[in-house]
Amino acid sequence: GAVVSQHPSWVICKSGTSVKIECRSLDFQATTMFWYRQFPKQSLMLMATSNEGSKATYEQGVEKDKFLINHASLTLSTLTVTSAHPEDSSFYICSAIQPTINEQFFGPGTRLTVL
Amino acid sequence: GQQLNQSPQSMFIQEGEDVSMNCTSSSIFNTWLWYKQDPGEGPVLLIALYKAGELTSNGRLTAQFGITRKDSFLNISASIPSDVGIYFCAGQGGSEKLVFGKGTKLTVNP
Repeated sequence: GAVVSQHPSWVICKSGTSVKIECRSLDFQATTMFWYRQFPKQSLMLMATSNEGSKATYEQGVEKDKFLINHASLTLSTLTVTSAHPEDSSFYICSAIQPTINEQFFGPGTRLTVL
Repeated sequence: GQQLNQSPQSMFIQEGEDVSMNCTSSSIFNTWLWYKQDPGEGPVLLIALYKAGELTSNGRLTAQFGITRKDSFLNISASIPSDVGIYFCAGQGGSEKLVFGKGTKLTVNP
């Protein structure tokens, strides 16, 4: 099956620091990955589309300079939350499209807590 | 951003009962998807629907793609305790992006 992993599974950081979250497709190559944010008891909101070898496409209202996305290989996309603030505390989930069946598989999520 | 209207928001049922939840949208979608999310995990796909009017089953789960392409429902028959979780509908239009409903939290009492 198609497996997507995320690292770390949880992270606690101080306000003002930057945090990098990795999303990997373990058994398939993904030219397209997505990053979502989910606040407690709410739905998943798409932040950006990560495209291998090109710039990410951000959804309206998502600051590209704050949420840096790098998709440097076909199996890895990273999301860096720069100058994190407490309001950035959330559950960040990535997904990757398995190209042969054109289905999105989701990672297990990363819980970010900014103190 | 765009969201789907999903109802009910939560359900409390007894083990063995059937469950029904639905999603509606003001927009037409080409694909409807139903996911289950356990606490602290990512969503897992349950059923995918690709054609208007399509009725698809996966074990005790049955889902339908509304004929207007603006709605979908998910039924769970003979619920069991492990059905507990949050169920999300998601719609996909002309791109690969997914739009998620707000979720239905299901509690099953043994």
